[in-house]
Amino acid sequence: DIQLTQSPSSLSASIGDRVTITCRASQSISTYLHWYQQKPGKPPKFLIYHASGLPDGVPSRFSGSGTGTEFSLTIVNLQPEDSATYYCQQSYLMNSFGQGTKVEIK
Amino acid sequence: QVQLVQSGAEVKTPGSSMRVSCQASGGTFVPSTITWVRQAPGQGLEWMGSIILSLGKPKYAHKFQDRVSLTADKSTTTAYMELTGLTSDDTAVYYCARDPNETGTLDYWGQGTLVTVSS
Repeated sequence: DIQLTQSPSSLSASIGDRVTITCRASQSISTYLHWYQQKPGKPPKFLIYHASGLPDGVPSRFSGSGTGTEFSLTIVNLQPEDSATYYCQQSYLMNSFGQGTKVEIK
Repeated sequence: QVQLVQSGAEVKTPGSSMRVSCQASGGTFVPSTITWVRQAPGQGLEWMGSIILSLGKPKYAHKFQDRVSLTADKSTTTAYMELTGLTSDDTAVYYCARDPNETGTLDYWGQGTLVTVSS
């Protein structure tokens, strides 16, 4: 099974900050890496597809990059509504999720 | 607007089975794959399996393959997830999600179904 390790597990940042979350895969997964945002009591929301694709309706302050085993999600100009837990997911071999990164607003 | 509507919360006893439904509606096309993901209280997301609706062909996470069964009814665009041999560790919110292109991206999610396993 492919393991995904996210770092950090949590972070606290201020409004307007730039935030980067990393996701590392235990083997190469090309760009079969996607990101989701989840707020308490809600289902996850689709955020980034295939490492860097931005779905319709997702604000452009969200971006993704990476290939192989190293990926990142970046939020620029952090907003209050970005307070959430973020998960990476691989679909290269079966599926699996990272353990999540909780983003809090200072 | 695509919607995935799941069945309601359930309370189950240890050793019993559960069945959650997920009906897709909206849009002009049938979702190609429905994926099931669960989330234990305060924990992360866990992939359980996926089923290609047109083929009724499931694939399961190794962890669940002896206990889970995914089925689908094309005529009603409804997917079902059955999990047997329940223990308290199966207490979780169960989500279905649509994978429109069979590439693993999950663009629409159901509202979640809380299943509590308790004696």
